[in-house]
Amino acid sequence: AQSVSQHNHHVILSEAASLELGCNYSYGGTVNLFWYVQYPGQHLQLLLKYFSGDPLVKGIKGFEAEFIKSKFSFNLRKPSVQWSDTAEYFCAVNPFGGEKLTFGTGTRLTIIP
Amino acid sequence: GAVVSQHPSRVICKSGTSVKIECRSLDFQATTMFWYRQFPKQSLMLMATSNEGSKATYEQGVEKDKFLINHASLTLSTLTVTSAHPEDSSFYICSARETGTEAFFGQGTRLTVV
Repeated sequence: AQSVSQHNHHVILSEAASLELGCNYSYGGTVNLFWYVQYPGQHLQLLLKYFSGDPLVKGIKGFEAEFIKSKFSFNLRKPSVQWSDTAEYFCAVNPFGGEKLTFGTGTRLTIIP
Repeated sequence: GAVVSQHPSRVICKSGTSVKIECRSLDFQATTMFWYRQFPKQSLMLMATSNEGSKATYEQGVEKDKFLINHASLTLSTLTVTSAHPEDSSFYICSARETGTEAFFGQGTRLTVV
């Protein structure tokens, strides 16, 4: 079975700082990778996804993530965060061709104005 | 993106009673729906997967007689927590997808059993 680790539980940054949230997964085969965001009081929304091709994936709101297969990692990055990026961020994985998403424990991001 | 509506957003029930949570896909036909449970500061744990018109497939350790899932139409799935107990208090989230597309999530239901 696959598993997902998000090592940063709570990250606090000032506006305009750069962001990198770690995500590592364990699974022996090909996977699809996702980052979801949950703003306060709202539902989970897809930020970006990787299925195949260019390992550097660009998503909405200036976010990007890089799939490094050798490290089983899919870290999320943003060069300059805004106060509105305050949210909970979840990394998720499902086996290629599969339906079930396995989520990490999430990282709470707090941006200080 | 597509919209998934979950109702109610919060519910408080007495121990021993049952509570039903609805999950609707508002602008697409959800061939598959998923039910998750989230404990505080923990990950979303998949409880079951349901396909329209079929019995749900439950994950290991999830009691199918306690968590009844019905996916009777392409736009509606329900989760009924039967004979609820305080340990069932949690945040329940549904997601829905059409075949070949990504899953969209509902806003979640906070269940408190007193």
